[in-house]
Order: sequence, then structure tokens, then C-alpha cells
Amino acid sequence: DAEITQSPRHKITETGRQVTLACHQTWNHNNMFWYRQDLGHGLRLIHYSYGVQDTNKGEVSDGYSVSRSNTEDLPLTLESAASSQTSVYFCASTPWWDSQDYEQYFGPGTRLTVT
Amino acid sequence: SQQGEEDPQALSIQEGENATMNCSYKTSINNLQWYRQNSGRGLVHLILIRSNEREKHSGRLRVTLDTSKKSSSLLITASRAADTASYFCATDAGGSGGSNYKLTFGKGTLLTVNP
Repeated sequence: DAEITQSPRHKITETGRQVTLACHQTWNHNNMFWYRQDLGHGLRLIHYSYGVQDTNKGEVSDGYSVSRSNTEDLPLTLESAASSQTSVYFCASTPWWDSQDYEQYFGPGTRLTVT
Repeated sequence: SQQGEEDPQALSIQEGENATMNCSYKTSINNLQWYRQNSGRGLVHLILIRSNEREKHSGRLRVTLDTSKKSSSLLITASRAADTASYFCATDAGGSGGSNYKLTFGKGTLLTVNP
């Protein structure tokens, strides 16, 4: 079955280290999104992509970067991890078609702790 | 900034009762969606309502949309213990020509259904 996966599921890292979170989907969806979820803030959009070589900044993009070299993957990189980036990170995808009826499919999440 | 804001933040009811959650948003939208999140899991799409629709049903779910008041409600009828989860509204503010597939999520309502 097609799916969206994230790895690792849990990660502990130190302040200042570079960290990359993986997101892989097998639906061949064009659109992919990264969110962070924090208590009191809900989900906030970090970066998103509408296709290969396309990346866009979201609401809380500072300190994060993404790259899209193929349809299936959108890795999220924390350039220099900070304690404020301790959070649960979710990846999502949705197909691109000429319709208003769509849904975002979410991965299981990655819990990141920066010490 | 959050586009959608759910109300109440938490709701506790008995099995068999109906649960109503509300969502208010700030700008014009292309569509509004509701998602469910079980503890420790990713979000799952429940229902989408377009900006030109006023009401939509799916099983035990009923969603209404009032664009003049910039508000939506989600009704879950005959609730079950398995409905215990957080519920989020998400808005697609759209772009030129329609949806841009980018969602802004509210902070969520935590629903607890007691057996």
C-alpha cells in the first residue's frame, strides 16, 4: 500500500548540531509539507514544495531548510539545532490535480529533542 | 499567525452524546477541512467543505460553514469512546485561480468521550 513515512521517529541531539529529518511518500504526490506541532500552537507550516526543485518558506522557516531532488522525498534540515526547535515534526503530502477536493496525508511524526 | 481557532479547547462528554466543536478564521477561504489526531499519531483527514457550501455530512459527522461569520462547526453525533482525540480545523486561503493546497491549522479541540 502507498504510504508516507518519517525517520527517525525519535531523535535526541545537542545544540548546534545539524540534523536531517527524512520524509518519504510512495503516492507520487507533487505537493509535500513540513509542520511542527507544539503545545499551545497547534501545527505550524515550516516549508513546502509543489514539485521537484521547488521549495517555499512557510510561517516558521527560520533555522530550517528543505530540498526536493525527486518526487518521493522532502528532507528537512535543521542547520544548527536550537532548544527552541524541540518539537514534534510532521510531514504531509497531497496530489496536484485540478480539484478543490483534496486532503493532506500525514506521516507518523518525528519527536525531536534538542539538549 | 493562526488562521483557524477552535472552541472549546477541551470538551468532555459521555458516550452517546453529541459533540460540537467550533472554528473561527480570519481571511477569506477556498475551503475548510477538519482533521483528527489520536494521541501520538499523525493527523487524519475527516471532511472538506468548500467555500460555496453551507453544510456537509459524512457518516456521524456534520460540518457547517458560515462564510459571512467566518466560522465552521463540526458535530459528531452519538459519540463513542473511540472518538477521543484532538480535532483541528484547517483553512485553505487559496491563491490566484483557486486552491494552493497550503493549509493553516488551528490549535485544536481535545475531545474526551467517557464510556
